[in-house]
Amino acid sequence: SQQGEEDPQALSIQEGENATMNCSYKTSINNLQWYRQNSGRGLVHLILIRSNEREKHSGRLRVTLDTSKKSSSLLITASRAADTASYFCAPTRGGADGLTFGKGTHLIIQP
Amino acid sequence: DTGVSQDPRHKITKRGQNVTFRCDPISEHNRLYWYRQTLGQGPEFLTYFQNEAQLEKSRLLSDRFSAERPKGSFSTLEIQRTEQGDSAMYLCASSAFRADEKLFFGSGTQLSVL
Repeated sequence: SQQGEEDPQALSIQEGENATMNCSYKTSINNLQWYRQNSGRGLVHLILIRSNEREKHSGRLRVTLDTSKKSSSLLITASRAADTASYFCAPTRGGADGLTFGKGTHLIIQP
Repeated sequence: DTGVSQDPRHKITKRGQNVTFRCDPISEHNRLYWYRQTLGQGPEFLTYFQNEAQLEKSRLLSDRFSAERPKGSFSTLEIQRTEQGDSAMYLCASSAFRADEKLFFGSGTQLSVL
């Protein structure tokens, strides 16, 4: 699998605002996954978007995928303090060799 | 579904000592992964099992590190002769045998080498 690069590395917004973070990758993929990690905890799978999909929603999350630009974005709407966490993308070509993670985007929601 | 569990949650050891961590994956998952994560970085892949077979090892996994998964159930990660640079969070993840590689992570073992 290949590593995605998240951008920005850090993001601080007010509660209630929307948060957008981006992921870029280098080679073709089968799918791309987003994970969240709260401080001192393991990663939690948020959403998976397949290479033939352009947009996907899950609750307050919206993920887009542009395979021509090799990029994805994660939008969190109406942010809450509990959304404070690090967010990682994981592009994958499938198979069983695990996922590779970048440094993530550290999101802070100010109350 | 009790999730992936790791034990212990925290381990403090002195340089040169050996440590062993345990991971119990979700029961029906046949794939198990170990990752290491240092502060401010993403998880780094260490090794991967399918059932009891260790199929891939990262170059990060020096000869002081060994992992086992006897009987294809729980796994152990042992670090011999620990060094201060081994201080990190060690994460275990498991997944089911299907095309979408969705991983379920445990809460990790935080290792501090003094």
